Amino acid sequence: GNSVTQMEGPVTLSEEAFLTINCTYTATGYPSLFWYVQYPGEGLQLLLKATKADDKGSNKGFEATYRKETTSFHLEKGSVQVSDSAVYFCALRAFFGNEKLTFGTGTRLTIIP
Amino acid sequence: EPEVTQTPSHQVTQMGQEVILRCVPISNHLYFYWYRQILGQKVEFLVSFYNNEISEKSEIFDDQFSVERPDGSNFTLKIRSTKLEDSAMYFCASTLQTGAPHEQYFGPGTRLTVT
Repeated sequence: GNSVTQMEGPVTLSEEAFLTINCTYTATGYPSLFWYVQYPGEGLQLLLKATKADDKGSNKGFEATYRKETTSFHLEKGSVQVSDSAVYFCALRAFFGNEKLTFGTGTRLTIIP
Repeated sequence: EPEVTQTPSHQVTQMGQEVILRCVPISNHLYFYWYRQILGQKVEFLVSFYNNEISEKSEIFDDQFSVERPDGSNFTLKIRSTKLEDSAMYFCASTLQTGAPHEQYFGPGTRLTVT
């Protein structure tokens, strides 16, 4: 079946540091890939997505590139801010079927000033 | 901007009681989902719903669970006899169509606490 393996947390960085959160996936066909963010006390918000190989999703300074050869979708940001503190979830949606999302375990990110 | 809403935001219930969690998906969306997140764990798919019937359900979604779209706007999740392990955050999601580039929009969640 489909699965997402995500970098274990928690991750603590200083403000303006470079961020990478690793995500790899197992799926048949050509899934769509997503990063969702969950701020404290809130629900899930879509951060960025990519629907085919070599696509780069980007939003709010975050980027992730769909790498089919390595089955990866790593999240990066060049300079993190305190407001980026949240839990980040990598997810995939199968190419066929009813479109349910399969999530990774989530990575808690804390940015210290 | 249209959004998915969920009520209540927090529900406390005693073990064995029935609960109904309510969701109002985005008005023109056709596909509906429930997910849950036990505290500190990953978000898990429960059930998907399209054209007034369940299209897929997970192993978690046993006979204690049911879903309904009673009036064309609400989408409900019922747990007939709650257990302690049902304590979790429950998220509703909806999407207009399946397939890229359509995305699922999530509600803010209902935190269910079973005592």
